[in-house]
Amino acid sequence: SQQGEEDPQALSIQEGENATMNCSYKTSINNLQWYRQNSGRGLVHLILIRSNEREKHSGRLRVTLDTSKKSSSLLITASRAADTASYFCATDQAGTALIFGKGTTLSVSS
Amino acid sequence: ETGVTQSPTHLIKTRGQQVTLRCSSQSGHNTVSWYQQALGQGPQFIFQYYREEENGRGNFPPRFSGLQFPNYSSELNVNALELDDSALYLCASSLGVAPSEKLFFGSGTQLSVL
Repeated sequence: SQQGEEDPQALSIQEGENATMNCSYKTSINNLQWYRQNSGRGLVHLILIRSNEREKHSGRLRVTLDTSKKSSSLLITASRAADTASYFCATDQAGTALIFGKGTTLSVSS
Repeated sequence: ETGVTQSPTHLIKTRGQQVTLRCSSQSGHNTVSWYQQALGQGPQFIFQYYREEENGRGNFPPRFSGLQFPNYSSELNVNALELDDSALYLCASSLGVAPSEKLFFGSGTQLSVL
């Protein structure tokens, strides 16, 4: 089963534009993480936000978390062609494992 | 580089066969998790091992089994392969017990079942 659902499924933008992707989840969480995957290979951790945090920044990344709406957003500012990848949110579930959503595929064209 | 390596990179098997996939975690990482990722989908949690004991399992049948060894290596075994087992298999290690920790993923093994 998939705890998180990303929206949109696919996003195409031009270099320099901002990209926003959203994640909704169903049950209470302790933390939410965002990962990136290039060309169907391994996932790379981007950022972790805990349930008592509302916003977190890392370089060009900004993540927000709204536990009342059970949703999170990932903003990538000033996108580059190298940001082209699939992005997944992942939430903890019953303290056992990270459960991933289906992902958002981002295409950045130059 | 995440420090997590998986072998082999690609594998082709026929239905009914058995397969063993291997993973080498970062030194010091006591937890290894295995995920199955079908084309166009997110990773699905198979199971997790902490200090050589299974401590969590997703919705996968018993023909999916695993082992974790003291040297930070681990295996995923799949018996009686089915066509739907064709997928990218990912292992991920972490310092403590996930999911409070970030995961370090290997590049995956692409399994094709014919």
